[in-house]
Amino acid sequence: QKEVEQNSGPLSVPEGAIASLNCTYSDRGSQSFFWYRQYSGKSPELIMSIYSNGDKEDGRFTAQLNKASQYVSLLIRDSQPSDSATYLCAVNAGNQFYFGTGTSLTVIP
Amino acid sequence: SQTIHQWPATLVQPVGSPLSLECTVEGTSNPNLYWYRQAAGRGLQLLFYSIGIDQISSEVPQNLSASRPQDRQFILSSKKLLLSDSGFYLCAWSEAVTFYGYTFGSGTRLTVV
Repeated sequence: QKEVEQNSGPLSVPEGAIASLNCTYSDRGSQSFFWYRQYSGKSPELIMSIYSNGDKEDGRFTAQLNKASQYVSLLIRDSQPSDSATYLCAVNAGNQFYFGTGTSLTVIP
Repeated sequence: SQTIHQWPATLVQPVGSPLSLECTVEGTSNPNLYWYRQAAGRGLQLLFYSIGIDQISSEVPQNLSASRPQDRQFILSSKKLLLSDSGFYLCAWSEAVTFYGYTFGSGTRLTVV
């Protein structure tokens, strides 16, 4: 059984702070890792992908991957109210991806 | 560029009625196609995935079925809806090599009454 675990939250941070979202996965054969953002009532949208150990930065977002620890994280710097959403971690395995249940983030103005 | 279309956006259906949701992808060929369901406040549940025409895998036993009549068309159906079929249905596609992630359609909000 391939599993992806996330803290469901809710996670609340003040505007301008760093939000840290974490994810662990069970399949050591996974090669690609993703973070999706889902606003209430909308479909998930891909915001970050990471394929090798270390950090990957894209604007205010940084994804971190540690395959030895089977751990993926997403840091959001200078959090904005518009970042309030549910963040889904996804890990590939074969022809499909496995999703965590998501972490709800609220950025307080 | 590739685009994915999913319709209808919302649907209210009585218990026992049939269902047909459609998804099409443009700008690519031989995509992998997926149907997910997301119940209120819950995670994504994979229902079906297809790596080609006539190659459809079912992940969860249920009263739903999927078909792929054309390379870039994926249809989710039911002959008789149950109350428990209510949810947010999402179609997604990926390249045949799934390394680069999914792109989701805009979703269908189904309410069975």
